[in-house]
Amino acid sequence: KAGVTQTPRYLIKTRGQQVTLSCSPISGHRSVSWYQQTPGQGLQFLFEYFSETQRNKGNFPGRFSGRQFSNSRSEMNVSTLELGDSALYLCASSLTTSLSTDTQYFGPGTRLTVL
Amino acid sequence: DAKTTQPNSMESNEEEPVHLPCNHSTISGTDYIHWYRQLPSQGPEYVIHGLTSNVNNRMASLAIAEDRKSSTLILHRATLRDAAVYYCILRDAKGGSEKLVFGKGTKLTVNP
Repeated sequence: KAGVTQTPRYLIKTRGQQVTLSCSPISGHRSVSWYQQTPGQGLQFLFEYFSETQRNKGNFPGRFSGRQFSNSRSEMNVSTLELGDSALYLCASSLTTSLSTDTQYFGPGTRLTVL
Repeated sequence: DAKTTQPNSMESNEEEPVHLPCNHSTISGTDYIHWYRQLPSQGPEYVIHGLTSNVNNRMASLAIAEDRKSSTLILHRATLRDAAVYYCILRDAKGGSEKLVFGKGTKLTVNP
């Protein structure tokens, strides 16, 4: 079974631009979560989508948004990029939306650099 | 925001057992304890999770204290491939929003 795939793997943008990252979950998984990882803040939860609906949201500004398509693929968008948005963006998929008991499978991440 | 406390780093020798501790004194009755690890240049991967009793799988064992305020991840025979950052995680549920809160984790170094 193929794992979680994320594209692109590396991205360089400049301040003020916007960016869209893509995540394809494991086949059959309907929940997709996004995380931001930086050396200073560690892994921080951005949001979770299930059946095309945002179910949970972390403490990030509105510049960070996402969506999920009917095939469970998900995209996240960051508008008006700031230097502090430079990070590894990780996507994780799971069968259900139960974070208590379900296992999350992470992709390799997209490394975003903002200049 | 993190509800767990772990040592920043630990060191082990190859082929020896490793005990990675985690404190979660504010755990609620319905919270499962999850462990993930992140190898260099990779996304985190699931290791094990449990609720009350000890759990075993092919990767590791999870020993949960009777009061559930602490737990220990046990790698029975560490290998060089086990060198990673290990995260002990609880679910955070506030205001109808649920998320997994990762702390800083424990960086495990395995010496040959």
